[in-house]
Amino acid sequence: EVQLVESGGGLVQPGGSLRLSCAASGFTFSNYWMSWVRQAPGQGLEWVTNINPDGSNKYYVDSVGGRFTISRDNARNSLYLQINSLTAEDTAVYYCAKGGLKRSTPFDSWAQGTLVAVSS
Amino acid sequence: IVVTQSPATLSLSPGERATLSCRVSQNVVDNFAWYQQKPGQAPRLLIYGASSRATGVPARVSGSGSGTEFTLTISSLQSEDFAVYYCQQYNNWPLYTFGQGTRLEMK
Repeated sequence: EVQLVESGGGLVQPGGSLRLSCAASGFTFSNYWMSWVRQAPGQGLEWVTNINPDGSNKYYVDSVGGRFTISRDNARNSLYLQINSLTAEDTAVYYCAKGGLKRSTPFDSWAQGTLVAVSS
Repeated sequence: IVVTQSPATLSLSPGERATLSCRVSQNVVDNFAWYQQKPGQAPRLLIYGASSRATGVPARVSGSGSGTEFTLTISSLQSEDFAVYYCQQYNNWPLYTFGQGTRLEMK
């Protein structure tokens, strides 16, 4: 059974940083594209970033403008999201999501979500 | 690419048929998915490839369409179907785009 378990969310002051983690199990992590998707309170879903299986290619939505860094450790079956220079607009539930073996695939498994709240 | 869902809210009774729509601003062939989200839960993949059901999705849920127009149909609503539904294009990689959601509520 595929399992994705996130950690690392919390309350952060504007301008602060946070690192989210996602521990994967139940599938061969190193074979799959992985993404982060966020959802602001009461709003819809926004794809944020993804990474290819070996970690050599990373893509970001324009709105995160170099402040976000996705990475993975295939030896630890883990996905990460480093978020810097946080603003109130980054307040959201962040989901780790499993893609496919190829790049253009939907997200067939999701973690439970971790809340990032940016406030002074 | 812009993905436009309609209606924003759909009010129906159990046993009725639900029809949810998405329109995409560019041709995405059949690289299109539907997700269900219940309060406090992560989204769940329902449909991929425009019309293929994901594992465990009941047969009363079906997807259709190609190119720029897509439809999710639930043939006879059960209580567990009332939720928010999102569509997504994944053709214009790497920019996956979601619709704004349709809230399916019980009448």
